[in-house]
Amino acid sequence: EIVLTQSPGTLSLSPGERATLSCRASQSVSSSYLAWYQQKPGQAPRLLIYAASSRATGIPDRFSGSGSGTDFTLTISRLESEDFAVYYCQQYGSSLWTFGQGTKVEIK
Amino acid sequence: EVQLLESGGGLVQPGGSLRLSCAASGFTFSSYALSWVRQAPGKGLEWVSTISSSGGSTFDADTVKGRFTVSRDNAKYTLYLQMNSLRVEDTAVYYCAKAAAAGSFDYWGQGTLVTVSS
Repeated sequence: EIVLTQSPGTLSLSPGERATLSCRASQSVSSSYLAWYQQKPGQAPRLLIYAASSRATGIPDRFSGSGSGTDFTLTISRLESEDFAVYYCQQYGSSLWTFGQGTKVEIK
Repeated sequence: EVQLLESGGGLVQPGGSLRLSCAASGFTFSSYALSWVRQAPGKGLEWVSTISSSGGSTFDADTVKGRFTVSRDNAKYTLYLQMNSLRVEDTAVYYCAKAAAAGSFDYWGQGTLVTVSS
């Protein structure tokens, strides 16, 4: 089973700043089957990025994903008030899906 | 508009059983794999089970294997999760999610809370 480790656990930033979130896999993620989700309190997760770098429908272009193999990054170019939330990475491989433990982006 | 609506959660004693349902609309149900993902209170997301579009293949996390069974009725546009031998650690909000490209989940329900406690 591939274990995903996200860092940092918490990111304290101000609106307008750039956020860089990391997701590291214990083994190579096949075919970049890596996704990112945003979750706000009391809400279901929302798909942001799939296949490591493709934005989901309706996702603003301030969100971008990059990486391959074992190292992946979610970047939010300029934080807006609605972006403060918890972010999860998720991978698929060998008929198993796993999530990272999450990174909380909070207002500084 | 794609909609997923879970139901069937509630309070159950350890060792008990519960069946969750997820009613879908807004897409061709029989064309997509579907999954259950859970979230314990204050914790992260955990994949539980996935079923193929036809229902012919199922995949389960080791933590629920042998206790939970995922199934679907394509005629009724409904996904199910039969949960047996429930444990305190199964307490969570259970979400159904629609499969999308590259192993991701593009639509999620609002979740249903399962509480396992004596």
